[in-house]
Amino acid sequence: ETGVTQTPRHLVMGMTNKKSLKCEQHLGHNAMYWYKQSAKKPLELMFVYNFKEQTENNSVPSRFSPECPNSSHLFLHLHTLQPEDSALYLCASSQAGTVDSNEQFFGPGTRLTVL
Amino acid sequence: AQTVTQSQPEMSVQEAETVTLSCTYDTSESDYYLFWYKQPPSRQMILVIRQEAYKQQNATENRFSVNFQKAAKSFSLKISDSQLGDAAMYFCAYRSAAAGNKLTFGGGTRVLVKP
Repeated sequence: ETGVTQTPRHLVMGMTNKKSLKCEQHLGHNAMYWYKQSAKKPLELMFVYNFKEQTENNSVPSRFSPECPNSSHLFLHLHTLQPEDSALYLCASSQAGTVDSNEQFFGPGTRLTVL
Repeated sequence: AQTVTQSQPEMSVQEAETVTLSCTYDTSESDYYLFWYKQPPSRQMILVIRQEAYKQQNATENRFSVNFQKAAKSFSLKISDSQLGDAAMYFCAYRSAAAGNKLTFGGGTRVLVKP
């Protein structure tokens, strides 16, 4: 595997389900991100992790719970979601703290549908 | 807060022709980075080109070039000799040099390439 991978690629869940999205980066980066991409809206940054520590929570509802067990893996735990949470969820990584630290590498995304 | 605006929801270009995508941004900062990302139908977002605000020279990457007008807060992308593989969503993004690694994205422009 190379780059940034995400599983599953597609997910359909009911409002009472609990599911998790997984992201893995194979680039040796130290920062990871979750974005939400909804139709006709700009990409919204949800969470940022630097060196496994959460450094940004962009006022995300508590029904989204991120977890970063190490610098290569990032999870997004989902529970009691609403239909308006249906979107493409993108994971990204970058090498923070260096001069050339400003390129984020994105995964293919998980297409989430909440029924 | 910074905002990024892409005023063209969709642009169409004939193969081998040139198309220019517009992007404007609002910031009170003087040191920042600007990016154009491409998201093909397969959804994996990739970096096309980036510009450091302190550099006066416009960035160029093969057939992709930018017109960076700092005073006007404008950052347009020119795609020359358009190819079918250029068909995608293009996102303009801003990153403050002082605010960590957070990216602010525009709403995107869909580029259609006609054979």
